[in-house]
Amino acid sequence: QSALTQPPSASGSPGQSVTISCTGTSSDVGDYNYVSWYQQHPGKAPKLVIYEVSKRPSGVPDRFSGSKSGNTASLTVSGLQAEDEADYYCSSYAGRNNYVFGTGTKVTVL
Amino acid sequence: QLQLQESGPGLVKPSETLSLACSVSGDSISSNLYYWGWVRQPPGKGLEWIGTIYNSGSTYYNPPLKSRVTIYVDTSKNQFSLRLSSVTAADTAIYYCARLSMRKSALDYWGQGTLVTVSS
Repeated sequence: QSALTQPPSASGSPGQSVTISCTGTSSDVGDYNYVSWYQQHPGKAPKLVIYEVSKRPSGVPDRFSGSKSGNTASLTVSGLQAEDEADYYCSSYAGRNNYVFGTGTKVTVL
Repeated sequence: QLQLQESGPGLVKPSETLSLACSVSGDSISSNLYYWGWVRQPPGKGLEWIGTIYNSGSTYYNPPLKSRVTIYVDTSKNQFSLRLSSVTAADTAIYYCARLSMRKSALDYWGQGTLVTVSS
């Protein structure tokens, strides 16, 4: 399966919101509500911030929210803070116990 | 607190087999609630799913890598391992082990990652 498509970059000023899209197909994002999002700071392992499209793991601020429409999922970070500057990857279940990642988006806090 | 730690050679020669282990502490690898998996990230690039394994030994591999990948579990050591055969420079990457929560259908705990370079 092909990688999910994300914009290479996104940015916003502190306090603003930024939304990242994640476009797949009817065989992955469009067919399952198993989209997750990962935050990765430089030199660090990825960290789960959203699962099952819109659920937040314990400890993740409610500034992080997720949604899905058709074959496209989205992650919104509201009230941007300096520590939100990182790479973000989406992932989707693609059937038959297979998963696919997105191409990644670098979020810059201006 | 669950912790995962990758270990293995940091340098592998082309055409040889890459072997890594992931030691799990703070949880039993025999749990029925989780799969255990491997993800890699070439330097400066994105994440790639390698595959996952269940405690029963059932495995699921990313189709492009399937012919070269083996993931297996050693419950006595509470660890799982990755073998990738016939490596080339394109396999140079940071390799992460992670826990896949069946309930969340997401990777909820990750190891710190280990860089493996393929070079003669």
